[in-house]
Amino acid sequence: NAGVTQTPKFQVLKTGQSMTLQCAQDMNHNSMYWYRQDPGMGLRLIYYSASEGTTDKGEVPNGYNVSRLNKREFSLRLESAAPSQTSVYFCASSAAGGNTGELFFGEGSRLTVL
Amino acid sequence: AQTVTQSQPEMSVQEAETVTLSCTYDTSENNYYLFWYKQPPSRQMILVIRQEAYKQQNATENRFSVNFQKAAKSFSLKISDSQLGDTAMYFCASNFGNEKLTFGTGTRLTIIP
Repeated sequence: NAGVTQTPKFQVLKTGQSMTLQCAQDMNHNSMYWYRQDPGMGLRLIYYSASEGTTDKGEVPNGYNVSRLNKREFSLRLESAAPSQTSVYFCASSAAGGNTGELFFGEGSRLTVL
Repeated sequence: AQTVTQSQPEMSVQEAETVTLSCTYDTSENNYYLFWYKQPPSRQMILVIRQEAYKQQNATENRFSVNFQKAAKSFSLKISDSQLGDTAMYFCASNFGNEKLTFGTGTRLTIIP
């Protein structure tokens, strides 16, 4: 059972380039999330999706777009990358949203924007 | 604002000793969940323990237990008989009654052999 799979695990971009982080889960979860982790900041929510076809902004959505392609997949797109978006990105999923709590996380994607 | 605060950026303890990580939070909600997540050097986040706010009894999971003080909005994690594998970042989090988790800034715990 793979759980939550993120690709790529590492990426280096130049300022202004675009890219998409892919996330897929095989646990039949309804809710999916994208977080970013920065030193001293903990994890901050970028976007989340409570169900297929719905998305909502989190704490730090500027500069990002998301697509909930189907129940399994939730992608995060950077249209014009900026150095401030250098971070480690985590995708997560949950059976019942945060209401009962457990989020299952991917291994993270380290993005560097030069 | 609903916030989670971890005031200990780093801690270290000798192997086999007991260590307590602190967490405070702020919310006006009455029903919510609190969590401790572990992030080992491999980076993948793992749930350690969960507490439902309406339950007075403190949650325990083997060597991990919490001290939940609802009135004080405090939620500390105690690790007994610490092991080298407990070395990790530990994050306190809450859903504050909704679908999203809010995380603290983390405590880096090092277990010294």
